[in-house]
Amino acid sequence: SQTIHQWPATLVQPVGSPLSLECTVEGTSNPNLYWYRQAAGRGLQLLFYSVGIGQISSEVPQNLSASRPQDRQFILSSKKLLLSDSGFYLCAWSQGTSGGYEQYFGPGTRLTVT
Amino acid sequence: GESVGLHLPTLSVQEGDNSIINCAYSNSASDYFIWYKQESGKGPQFIIDIRSNMDKRQGQRVTVLLNKTVKHLSLQIAATQPGDSAVYFCVDNAGNMLTFGGGTRLMVKP
Repeated sequence: SQTIHQWPATLVQPVGSPLSLECTVEGTSNPNLYWYRQAAGRGLQLLFYSVGIGQISSEVPQNLSASRPQDRQFILSSKKLLLSDSGFYLCAWSQGTSGGYEQYFGPGTRLTVT
Repeated sequence: GESVGLHLPTLSVQEGDNSIINCAYSNSASDYFIWYKQESGKGPQFIIDIRSNMDKRQGQRVTVLLNKTVKHLSLQIAATQPGDSAVYFCVDNAGNMLTFGGGTRLMVKP
């Protein structure tokens, strides 16, 4: 069966510090991978998605970046965090490259920028 | 732009009663919908999906109804339990993207 992992589970970082969140998927190959951010009490905002190694599409301009160094690894990074980067970050995966496939979410990372 | 939204932010039901969570969508080209359940501090969990060639789909204690004429979805939960307390998202899956609305918080009273 497929599983998706995210770490760390929680993170407290000062403004201006770098960020690296990692997501890995097991039990599948060539998945579509996604990074979302969720503000408190709100829906999910798609940040990045990837259909293959080295292929990243950005949905929202910001000071975050994403990379996919391996087929089942997706990394969210920032060089300098802003207060507004605080939130709940979720990684997800799906099969296929066309519509009609459910996405499966990881446990999330709670990021607090102080 | 096109969006998926929910009618009510909070729904409170008595344990054992049936729950109905409503959702309106605006993208007339949408052909696939998913309901997710998100418990506090966790990632969304897939509940049930429905394609536009169907108007009803049933799962374990859950039923999703799709009315394409008025672009409306509903999620029905039978015999609501305390473990059903969560935020429920109606999601439009078009292409590679999921469009999330603000969600409906379901609170189950004992």
